[in-house]
Amino acid sequence: DTGVSQNPRHKITKRGQNVTFRCDPISEHNRLYWYRQTLGQGPEFLTYFQNEAQLEKSRLLSDRFSAERPKGSFSTLEIQRTEQGDSAMYLCASSLGSSGGQLLKNIQYFGAGTRLSVL
Amino acid sequence: TQLLEQSPQFLSIQEGENLTVYCNSSSVFSSLQWYRQEPGEGPVLLVTVVTGGEVKKLKRLTFQFGDARKDSSLHITAAQTGDTGLYLCAGAPQAGTALIFGKGTTLSVSS
Repeated sequence: DTGVSQNPRHKITKRGQNVTFRCDPISEHNRLYWYRQTLGQGPEFLTYFQNEAQLEKSRLLSDRFSAERPKGSFSTLEIQRTEQGDSAMYLCASSLGSSGGQLLKNIQYFGAGTRLSVL
Repeated sequence: TQLLEQSPQFLSIQEGENLTVYCNSSSVFSSLQWYRQEPGEGPVLLVTVVTGGEVKKLKRLTFQFGDARKDSSLHITAAQTGDTGLYLCAGAPQAGTALIFGKGTTLSVSS
């Protein structure tokens, strides 16, 4: 079991540049979630997918943010025209989703995150 | 908007002491998870509680889900330096939906 994998682990970029992060979920998991965590705070939900369908987006997900999961496996999160306020840890999680029982549906396993610093 | 209030935000204790972290909400959750997070890493799941009144034990850690499924607590007995870290509670409003996290409790255990 390889767990949730996120790349890159760290990204430093200049304001105005575009960045893209990748998440590879646990192989049999249908649901994939993106969260953002700033210093001293708990993670905040951004968006999630059931297979390739994006089911929900948070108000935090501005027009500069876009997420895809084209084949229902890995996902990418792109931030266009980055701002200093985008600096945060971006976390990906996956869960079994509808293929599991109620308890199993809610167990989300997190990757190590991508730390973004916008200069 | 559902919120999870976690307290205390910071806790600094000596090795061997006991502690309790609280997670409260005015809303009902389908389930509640407790995670532990190390600096620069993602949260690692400790336990999931589903049934109101449920108590789960994980070695020196005891987790309780309130009868009304609105609150939870984490109790650590005889804390060790290895328990140091950020403890997060997270609730699922409905099965399979996004998690709502508390702000976390930063625990520091010194020898």
